[in-house]
Amino acid sequence: DAGVTQSPTHLIKTRGQQVTLRCSPKSGHDTVSWYQQALGQGPQFIFQYYEEEERQRGNFPDRFSGHQFPNYSSELNVNALLLGDSALYLCASSLVRGQGYGYTFGSGTRLTVV
Amino acid sequence: AQTVTQSQPEMSVQEAETVTLSCTYDTSESDYYLFWYKQPPSRQMILVIRQEAYKQQNATENRFSVNFQKAAKSFSLKISDSQLGDAAMYFCAYRSAFINDYKLSFGAGTTVTVRA
Repeated sequence: DAGVTQSPTHLIKTRGQQVTLRCSPKSGHDTVSWYQQALGQGPQFIFQYYEEEERQRGNFPDRFSGHQFPNYSSELNVNALLLGDSALYLCASSLVRGQGYGYTFGSGTRLTVV
Repeated sequence: AQTVTQSQPEMSVQEAETVTLSCTYDTSESDYYLFWYKQPPSRQMILVIRQEAYKQQNATENRFSVNFQKAAKSFSLKISDSQLGDAAMYFCAYRSAFINDYKLSFGAGTTVTVRA
């Protein structure tokens, strides 16, 4: 049973560019959340998607946007990249009725902005 | 907003011995969930143990146990019989039981090293 799959694993972008990160949730899961983890820090919640809608958003600017597809997979888009966007981006999935049991995380995408 | 504090940036333990990681949190809610996640160098967050705030009994998962003190808003993790594979970053996390709040709030993490 595949867990959460994220692609790509590493990415280098230039300031001002746009980037798209992808996530496939664990089989059977229907919610997808995205987190940003700066080096040496704990993850910060970006947003969560369910039924193709963003239903909660953290304290991130509108440059961060997302999408969920009918097969529950998700994309995270970041526009006008800043050096400060360099981080590990983690995707987490769960069953909508099972979120109290925790989330299953992927191994992340390491984004470097130069 | 809930905040989670892990006051120990690093902890070191001898193999086969016990280490305790501390976590405190700030909330005005009465019902919530608490988690400990492990993040090895592979970067994947792995759920170690969870606790429901309305349950008095401390959670246990094999060599991992918690000391949940609701009044003190404290949630420490004890790793018994430490193994080399326990070396990782450990994060304490909080999730509200409020129906429209889905986010996990994480602490800054504690790096655990295990000495052979």
